[in-house]
Amino acid sequence: EAGVAQSPRYKIIEKRQSVAFWCNPISGHATLYWYQQILGQGPKLLIQFQNNGVVDDSQLPKDRFSAERLKGVDSTLKIQPAKLEDSAVYLCASSPLLYDGGFYGYTFGSGTRLTVV
Amino acid sequence: KQEVTQIPAALSVPEGENLVLNCSFTDSAIYNLQWFRQDPGKGLTSLLLIQSSQREQTSGRLNASLDKSSGRSTLYIAASQPGDSATYLCAVFGSNDYKLSFGAGTTVTVRA
Repeated sequence: EAGVAQSPRYKIIEKRQSVAFWCNPISGHATLYWYQQILGQGPKLLIQFQNNGVVDDSQLPKDRFSAERLKGVDSTLKIQPAKLEDSAVYLCASSPLLYDGGFYGYTFGSGTRLTVV
Repeated sequence: KQEVTQIPAALSVPEGENLVLNCSFTDSAIYNLQWFRQDPGKGLTSLLLIQSSQREQTSGRLNASLDKSSGRSTLYIAASQPGDSATYLCAVFGSNDYKLSFGAGTTVTVRA
């Protein structure tokens, strides 16, 4: 099966600019996650979707970050305006169902490396 | 809140030596534990998934154990090779919050 697709792979922007990331999960996976991984740290969950509904966005900085999952398939994560501390790798992952994450685990994409200068 | 700790943060060994990576977690209410590999600037590749009812999982040179009651897991990599150089992350999927919580990783360097 095809994996989780993410684009772009790399992005360099100036602070206060906006940026968007795209994710296409594994076909049929109902649950989609966006993680932020700052250099030297483990990934931190930003937002979790089940189909096209938000399950958890408690760690999403909503004053600058937004995310949507159109028709329960693809998802976009946007940052506007970006800050220097947003420099990180943004990872998208999917799993068959929220509760099935316990059996099948998560599949991660290759990530988008964002550098804010 | 689940806290996941990985020790050591970095490890350097000569080729051929066995690797032992440790992971501990504070809340034993988990569905499973997953070990991932991450190459620099890349995404995560799943290595092993251990269900909470299991004690260990094996894949090739990799073996992972799980002691849920004590909140510990160990990843063993036998006969290390330079290609094993990467960061290894452990993550637990909580049965209370249905979230995957990560450790900060152990960065491994295998010297030829």
